[in-house]
Amino acid sequence: DIQMTQSPSTLSSSIGDRVTITCRASQSISSWLAWYQQKPGKAPKLLIYKASSLESGVPSRFSGSGSGTEFTLTISSLQPDDFATYYCQQYNNYPRTFGQGTKLEIK
Amino acid sequence: EVQLLESGGGLAQPGGSLRLSCAASGFTFSSYAMSWVRQTPGKGLEWVSSISGSGESTHYADSVKGRFTFSRDNSKNTLFLQMNSLRAEDTAVYYCAKEVPQWTYWGQGTLVTVSS
Repeated sequence: DIQMTQSPSTLSSSIGDRVTITCRASQSISSWLAWYQQKPGKAPKLLIYKASSLESGVPSRFSGSGSGTEFTLTISSLQPDDFATYYCQQYNNYPRTFGQGTKLEIK
Repeated sequence: EVQLLESGGGLAQPGGSLRLSCAASGFTFSSYAMSWVRQTPGKGLEWVSSISGSGESTHYADSVKGRFTFSRDNSKNTLFLQMNSLRAEDTAVYYCAKEVPQWTYWGQGTLVTVSS
């Protein structure tokens, strides 16, 4: 199975900050990586697919990059609505696997 | 508008069974693979199973293989997850999701609690 490791687990930031979350795969997944945002009590929401493609309707302050085993999610200028938990997920093969999540908190 | 509506969750005893359903609308159901993803209380996300658009191909997480069966009725735009031999560690919110292959749409989830 492909292990997905996210860092950091928790991130405290302020409105307007630029933040970066990293996701590392235990083996190459090409660009078959998605990023999801989840708020308490809600289903995950797709932000980024194929490592760097922005899902329709997602604000342009979100961006993704990387390929192979190293990936990043960047939020260029944090907004109040962005405080949530973020997960990376590989869909290169089965079993599909997620990172453990990064909780983005208000500083 | 794509809608996914799960049902069938509830309380089950260890060793018992439950059948989850997911009613889909707003897209050509038979053209898309679908998945179940679960989330244990306060924890992260875990993929459970996926099924092809035709229903002929399925994949399962090792943690549920041999106990869970994923099927679909394309005439009724509905998914089913038959869960047998339930364990305490199956307690979770279960989401159905549409694959493209990333999961673009998710249902609201249904809670399964396995406890005596």
